[in-house]
Amino acid sequence: AQSVTQLGSHVSVSEGALVLLRCNYSSSVPPYLFWYVQYPNQGLQLLLKYTTGATLVKGINGFEAEFKKSETSFHLTKPSAHMSDAAEYFCAAKPSGGSYIPTFGRGTSLIVHP
Amino acid sequence: GAGVSQTPSNKVTEKGKYVELRCDPISGHTALYWYRQSLGQGPEFLIYFQGTGAADDSGLPNDRFFAVRPEGSVSTLKIQRTERGDSAVYLCASSWGQGDTDTQYFGPGTRLTVL
Repeated sequence: AQSVTQLGSHVSVSEGALVLLRCNYSSSVPPYLFWYVQYPNQGLQLLLKYTTGATLVKGINGFEAEFKKSETSFHLTKPSAHMSDAAEYFCAAKPSGGSYIPTFGRGTSLIVHP
Repeated sequence: GAGVSQTPSNKVTEKGKYVELRCDPISGHTALYWYRQSLGQGPEFLIYFQGTGAADDSGLPNDRFFAVRPEGSVSTLKIQRTERGDSAVYLCASSWGQGDTDTQYFGPGTRLTVL
């Protein structure tokens, strides 16, 4: 069965610092990969997704992620954190080739200090 | 608004009671998903509809849980004989249903508390 691991339930950064949120998947076949953000009392919003093609994916709000097959990773980064980036971030994976059901990681809470 | 809406936003019930949670998807979206999110966890898949039919209900934990989507739009998740362990945020999402790379759009969720 596919699984998604997000290292660190909480990540704390200073405003303006690099944001790095880690995600690893376990799958023999590279899946489709997604990052979602969840603000308090709101639904999950898609930040970016990788399906095929370029392994560096750019998303909204200045975030990007790189698919590394050799490391089974899909880490999320942003060069400079803003206070408004404070939220819960979820990585998800979905088997490629016909499945509609993603498996989500447990989430990482990003805390941004002024 | 044009997003996915869910009602109620909060529901408190007593153990053993029956509850219904409603999801209004984005107009035109043929695919609809229900998830459950427990505290400190990511969303966990429950059931997926394509149109009016449940295409995959493998995530429903037991027969106390049931969902319908009679006209291919609004969906209702029904929980019978609620248990304290059912307390969670129930999320609904919808998509165009055009393929497995579809983007799912999530509603804000219904927070269910079973006392």
